Amino acid sequence: QSVLTQPPSASGTPGQRVTISCSGSSSNVGSNNVDWYQQLPGTAPKLLIYRNNQRPSGVPDRFSGSKSGTSASLAISGLQSEDEADYYCAAWDDSLSGPVFGGGTKVTVL
Amino acid sequence: EEQLVESGGGLVQPGESLRLSCAASGFPFSTYTMNWVRQTPGKGLEWVSYIGSSSTAIYYADSVKGRFTVSRDNAKNSLFLQMNSLGADDTAVYYCAREHRGSFGSFGLWGQGTQVTVFS
Repeated sequence: QSVLTQPPSASGTPGQRVTISCSGSSSNVGSNNVDWYQQLPGTAPKLLIYRNNQRPSGVPDRFSGSKSGTSASLAISGLQSEDEADYYCAAWDDSLSGPVFGGGTKVTVL
Repeated sequence: EEQLVESGGGLVQPGESLRLSCAASGFPFSTYTMNWVRQTPGKGLEWVSYIGSSSTAIYYADSVKGRFTVSRDNAKNSLFLQMNSLGADDTAVYYCAREHRGSFGSFGLWGQGTQVTVFS
């Protein structure tokens, strides 16, 4: 059972917009920044979004993040086949004194 | 190229120990905080440990506190995780992860991971 809650799956056709939610509490998402990671099959996670809505260099602007209250979301616009991956949200948890992760959302491109 | 390469994983029995290593290259290792994160199919991603750039700040997840010890050798650009009293719940892929500059708790560079399997 992960501390942050994500839907297990999401899907869309090429070119569509897909949104993934991440629900937490006042001790994590509600009071700290949220990060998003992309994990392609058989590889390590990769930082996709940090500080709620910032993209590291090299990450396409098709990926965007937002946060409101104790929830955050990742949007993928112009969905492409190479976006098929698992996506994880993460945030620092003040009660646990460490980062916590969501259970991951598998994105399928139909 | 910035790179992290883990090693030291393997098959061990409950109660045994294992020492993981992470070799860093392509960036000023001594200026970055480092972490260990593990992943299992069932429990997903779990942060394990944090160590500051000069080893003065060290933190652990409650699940490993008292059993695992993180350390680093900045002269050798290396990170370590000594794991004692291993149990089945410690079975996972272990990643070393570098903090993303300017964003505490964000992991901007990951290694390829090393598998640790505890079996009886």
